[in-house]
Amino acid sequence: GESVGLHLPTLSVQEGDNSIINCAYSNSASDYFIWYKQESGKGPQFIIDIRSNMDKRQGQRVTVLLNKTVKHLSLQIAATQPGDSAVYFCAENMGSNYKLTFGKGTLLTVNP
Amino acid sequence: EAQVTQNPRYLITVTGKKLTVTCSQNMNHEYMSWYRQDPGLGLRQIYYSMNVEVTDKGDVPEGYKVSRKEKRNFPLILESPSPNQTSLYFCASRKDREYANTGELFFGEGSRLTVL
Repeated sequence: GESVGLHLPTLSVQEGDNSIINCAYSNSASDYFIWYKQESGKGPQFIIDIRSNMDKRQGQRVTVLLNKTVKHLSLQIAATQPGDSAVYFCAENMGSNYKLTFGKGTLLTVNP
Repeated sequence: EAQVTQNPRYLITVTGKKLTVTCSQNMNHEYMSWYRQDPGLGLRQIYYSMNVEVTDKGDVPEGYKVSRKEKRNFPLILESPSPNQTSLYFCASRKDREYANTGELFFGEGSRLTVL
């Protein structure tokens, strides 16, 4: 089976709240992790990435945290907006084969 | 505009009728890949290509073929489609990691295939 998974399949938040989407991975050799957002009817879109030698990376309204001790990855979205409603995937990459292994996704619903 | 273009976007076909889903990228990317997306199973890699004339199997290659004769194109071929190949297919590309700061994959909009 896949080595990357998600703790929760769905997450519902109120507009303006912060969202946290979690992901567990099992391959300690993975050197690169990415979060993707997939809106209905569209292809996945890159949000943010982090290398295994980092534990935190920030983007615009998003932060990715990497805890290698417990093999856990999280995506934090600040001040969640209705446009953030989508399925979010984490993915891991082992550098030697360029292959991304995706988790099954979390559906984020933002309530007005 | 940088993009990955797939065609057709929607297709209904019958068992055994050969079909090809085309994929083209205009970003001069070395790496291209095909994924299928199924409910509860997420995105699974079918085939990938590191560069022209270099292809390799992903996790679920059975029933599919690919070719990479040109850098920009990476067609997915179903020689004899079966109902279990009904799925949403995505093509993706990225620069070789040796030359890129990020391993970001750029995805196409998807091709929804139904095999009756």
